[in-house]
Amino acid sequence: EPEVTQTPSHQVTQMGQEVILRCVPISNHLYFYWYRQILGQKVEFLVSFYNNEISEKSEIFDDQFSVERPDGSNFTLKIRSTKLEDSAMYFCASSQLLYGYTFGSGTRLTVV
Amino acid sequence: SQQGEEDPQALSIQEGENATMNCSYKTSINNLQWYRQNSGRGLVHLILIRSNEREKHSGRLRVTLDTSKKSSSLLITASRAADTASYFCATGYSSNTGKLIFGQGTTLQVKP
Repeated sequence: EPEVTQTPSHQVTQMGQEVILRCVPISNHLYFYWYRQILGQKVEFLVSFYNNEISEKSEIFDDQFSVERPDGSNFTLKIRSTKLEDSAMYFCASSQLLYGYTFGSGTRLTVV
Repeated sequence: SQQGEEDPQALSIQEGENATMNCSYKTSINNLQWYRQNSGRGLVHLILIRSNEREKHSGRLRVTLDTSKKSSSLLITASRAADTASYFCATGYSSNTGKLIFGQGTTLQVKP
């Protein structure tokens, strides 16, 4: 069964550093998403991406965040200057139609 | 907030018993989905029910949707120890972005 692949599975970074979280969505999917889950809390929407542009973003997705689909297969989330409160599990998801996601297994980001 | 609450927050049952989890939401939806998350792992899509549907089955899962009460329930019949996980409902709205709003989740423990 096709999978959404996320790398790395765990990333530790120092506060103020830039991080790039990588995702390989399912190849024929058209819609791409990033969500995050702070430990013990609910899953929060960050951004949706379609047709090579952001279609919606949440209040969390401020100027420190950006997304890219640089080569038609990867889908990346960049955090420019990490803060302690960015520590969370970040999930990438993709879908062929608007709904019916496949989620990746997540990247645990720890900011120290 | 577009999303309400799930209840109970935690549920502990014996293997073989049925487990029922409820989800409420606040505004009109396009669809409602249920996901499972094993501890520290990714989100697994279980079932999607559209706003014009009232009940849906998938194996041992039964989902109902009552749009007049803005609520849904997930029933797991004949539970197994392997069903131990957190279960989240997520609501989709009539937009062209596919964004989902997740509930707080119910932690289910099935004792062997």
